[in-house]
Amino acid sequence: GPKVLQIPSHQIIDMGQMVTLNCDPVSNHLYFYWYKQILGQQMEFLVNFYNGKVMEKSKLFKDQFSVERPDGSYFTLKIQPTALEDSAVYFCASSLDIFNQAPLFGEGTRLSVL
Amino acid sequence: GQQVKQSSPSLTVQEGGISILNCDYENDMFDYFAWYKKYPDNSPTLLISVRSNVDKREDGRLTVFLNKSGKHFSLHITASQPEDTAVYLCAAGPYGNEKITFGAGTKLTIKP
Repeated sequence: GPKVLQIPSHQIIDMGQMVTLNCDPVSNHLYFYWYKQILGQQMEFLVNFYNGKVMEKSKLFKDQFSVERPDGSYFTLKIQPTALEDSAVYFCASSLDIFNQAPLFGEGTRLSVL
Repeated sequence: GQQVKQSSPSLTVQEGGISILNCDYENDMFDYFAWYKKYPDNSPTLLISVRSNVDKREDGRLTVFLNKSGKHFSLHITASQPEDTAVYLCAAGPYGNEKITFGAGTKLTIKP
């Protein structure tokens, strides 16, 4: 069936550097999401994105975070600069609509900030 | 505070038995309720979901029960099998499920 792909599965960077997490959503989906899961904690909503714009973001979505989907390609989460507390697994999701279809999740990218 | 709570971090059930997973929520505005299954290093996969206009939905061995007045919903898995062993996440959200809040998960183990 359709899948959301996240590349890479694991990324290690030094604190203060910039990182971009890539998500390849299902091709006809229109809504895109990022969730964050710190080790041992629950998965938490970061942001959703539709029609080129952020619809809603949580308080976890700091000023250092940004999302975009240029030219219908990857949906990306950029963190600049990174901090130690950004270490987590980041899950991307996409859905065709928000009323009749639940988001389909990717397998996550584990980000380790050293 | 946690808006969606799974009070049992783990549950062990004998093969063939009924697994009952519970979830409590706080937000009256939640209208969408779902259960996801997650294996280690895999993506959360939607199992079953309901809107608040129904209090029960069945799909094969899975049944979701929704108690809106009690702000509680549960997942029943009948004839539990070893392959049901996984972490189960409950999730809830407003009418448009564009912002789903997840519980911390319950690790279900089915013993042969």
